[in-house]
Amino acid sequence: DTAVSQTPKYLVTQMGNDKSIKCEQNLGHDTMYWYKQDSKKFLKIMFSYNNKELIINETVPNRFSPKSPDKAHLNLHINSLELGDSAVYFCASSQEIVRVGEKLFFGSGTQLSVL
Amino acid sequence: AQTVTQSQPEMSVQEAETVTLSCTYDTSESDYYLFWYKQPPSRQMILVIRQEAYKQQNATENRFSVNFQKAAKSFSLKISDSQLGDAAMYFCAYRSGDTLAGSYQLTFGKGTKLSVIP
Repeated sequence: DTAVSQTPKYLVTQMGNDKSIKCEQNLGHDTMYWYKQDSKKFLKIMFSYNNKELIINETVPNRFSPKSPDKAHLNLHINSLELGDSAVYFCASSQEIVRVGEKLFFGSGTQLSVL
Repeated sequence: AQTVTQSQPEMSVQEAETVTLSCTYDTSESDYYLFWYKQPPSRQMILVIRQEAYKQQNATENRFSVNFQKAAKSFSLKISDSQLGDAAMYFCAYRSGDTLAGSYQLTFGKGTKLSVIP
């Protein structure tokens, strides 16, 4: 069974469109994340949710809006897509445990290409 | 803010040989965690090894081991008996031990691309 699954794996779309990426984890984790990996492979956090509450909201254009209907899901909606949004987006989850180096479990990524 | 630096954009190693990937970090915290993640061509991010800063003993996982030098803020990854399947991007990452806001975020280095030569 896939621990963290995100769909779709590939997304090709035109500039100006609105698109969503879905993420689900079946690990019972409390915290979920969205990371963006740019063309130079640099991974940068975008958002973090803990028990459906927004914890981290890095400097991300407000065209990006995360939505967490329950703690097992964290979807990413992007409005008015721009060329610079092309990247691989990773969903991840973790169980916050004090003083244990909790693992971050990643999805397999969604390659977004904006034409 | 914490920063993680991987100074080797690319490395290569002969199959069955040993390679060491470098990572340094900057932090003012005393309690934190360090990780190495592997990203093969499939794009999946896979945890390779982790180290708690309060533990002096270096972590090991089969052929993977780290050299954790807390005073020098260095956390290198050694891969022994390299295999073709080890070819991937390797990311060093830092996570605060603070249970408040900082503990939710992993800060990644820019990655090192490892090639394994048959």
